[in-house]
Amino acid sequence: SQQGEEDPQALSIQEGENATMNCSYKTSINNLQWYRQNSGRGLVHLILIRSNEREKHSGRLRVTLDTSKKSSSLLITASRAADTASYFCATPIKAAGNKLTFGGGTRVLVKP
Amino acid sequence: DTEVTQTPKHLVMGMTNKKSLKCEQHMGHRAMYWYKQKAKKPPELMFVYSYEKLSINESVPSRFSPECPNSSLLNLHLHALQPEDSALYLCASSQDVPGRTDTQYFGPGTRLTVL
Repeated sequence: SQQGEEDPQALSIQEGENATMNCSYKTSINNLQWYRQNSGRGLVHLILIRSNEREKHSGRLRVTLDTSKKSSSLLITASRAADTASYFCATPIKAAGNKLTFGGGTRVLVKP
Repeated sequence: DTEVTQTPKHLVMGMTNKKSLKCEQHMGHRAMYWYKQKAKKPPELMFVYSYEKLSINESVPSRFSPECPNSSLLNLHLHALQPEDSALYLCASSQDVPGRTDTQYFGPGTRLTVL
């Protein structure tokens, strides 16, 4: 079963707008990771936020983590057509050798 | 070199065929993974190798047989597959430092179609 659930499932925005997607998870975690997948390709790691961090930035990406609500958000600012992709949150399952379990993903379409 | 390579990119096979998927990394990573991904779904973990030993098998049917010949190579042997096994098969690797969750580096995947 999936550890993380993402919301929304799909998002369509204009170039230059911001895109926000959310991830909820069920069990305690040491960290949460976000990955991007372009259509039919492999996943690319974007950012890792540890359980003792509340916010982290990387370029146009901003990730928040609220461990009390077991949720995280990914914000992409000033979106570009090249940001069109699926975005997945992933959480390690400590009891299972720290394997990653992925959320359902948010498909983002950035229209030029 | 931060690349994970996978061959072939595409594979079409019949249900009686035997084929193999290959994955290679030269980052010195000691953990390697096979995932299966259906369209519009997240990747699902199949197998994990840690230091060339199988550490996790997610109850994958025996028609999928993983092999790790050395720390850089990971194979997935396929035999008697079913049409529902058609999917994107992703390989990934990570450093596998004890007590730490590493980021995973993914290959581009093999698109498998079973007729």
